[in-house]
Amino acid sequence: DIVMTQTPLSLSVTPGQPASISCKSSQSLLHSDGKTYLYWYLQKPGQSPQLLIYEVSSRFSGVPDRFSGSGSGTDFTLKISRVEAEDVGVYYCMQGIHLPLTFGQGTKLEIK
Amino acid sequence: QITLKESGPTLVKPTQTLTLTCTFSGFSLSTSGVGVGWIRQPPGKALEWLALIYWDDDKRYSPSLKSRLTITKDTSKNQVVLTMTNMDPVDTATYYCAHVIAAADLDYWGQGTLVTVSS
Repeated sequence: DIVMTQTPLSLSVTPGQPASISCKSSQSLLHSDGKTYLYWYLQKPGQSPQLLIYEVSSRFSGVPDRFSGSGSGTDFTLKISRVEAEDVGVYYCMQGIHLPLTFGQGTKLEIK
Repeated sequence: QITLKESGPTLVKPTQTLTLTCTFSGFSLSTSGVGVGWIRQPPGKALEWLALIYWDDDKRYSPSLKSRLTITKDTSKNQVVLTMTNMDPVDTATYYCAHVIAAADLDYWGQGTLVTVSS
């Protein structure tokens, strides 16, 4: 199984400040079709996960442009340019290149 | 508008079989490239993928749980059913179903259903 490792596991951010979460995979997520199957999800308190980013850097429908994804191969980053109160929750990365699909441990974002 | 909703028992006893139903709308499981997946989350813990079923009835399971899981679909009813045998307290979790596109994009999730395993 591909192991997904996120850092940090928690972060506290002042509103308006940036935030960054790292995700590393134990194998390359680059497929022979040229796509890289790395996803980011946000699970707000008491809610189900919602897709933020697919294939490393594509924002899902309705996701604010303050969220951006980058990276390649085995190293990926989710950035929030200016954190807002509604961004609190747990962020998960997930790989979709090989079954079983696997998720990172999650990164809890809190507002200072 | 794609929506999914999980249903099933909230409490099961150890060794019993769990049957969960995902009822969805806004898409058809007969459309090429579409699937439905199941994911679970023990209280306070991370997400764990369980199973996937695609429009062509291709079924995939988590290797660690494969012997206990069965996923089926009823296209006419817009439902996907997951059964898990020999339930144990460690299987206590919120179980989610999700719409799948392009092989592994879990783009829309249900609200989840909490299943507690206890005698």
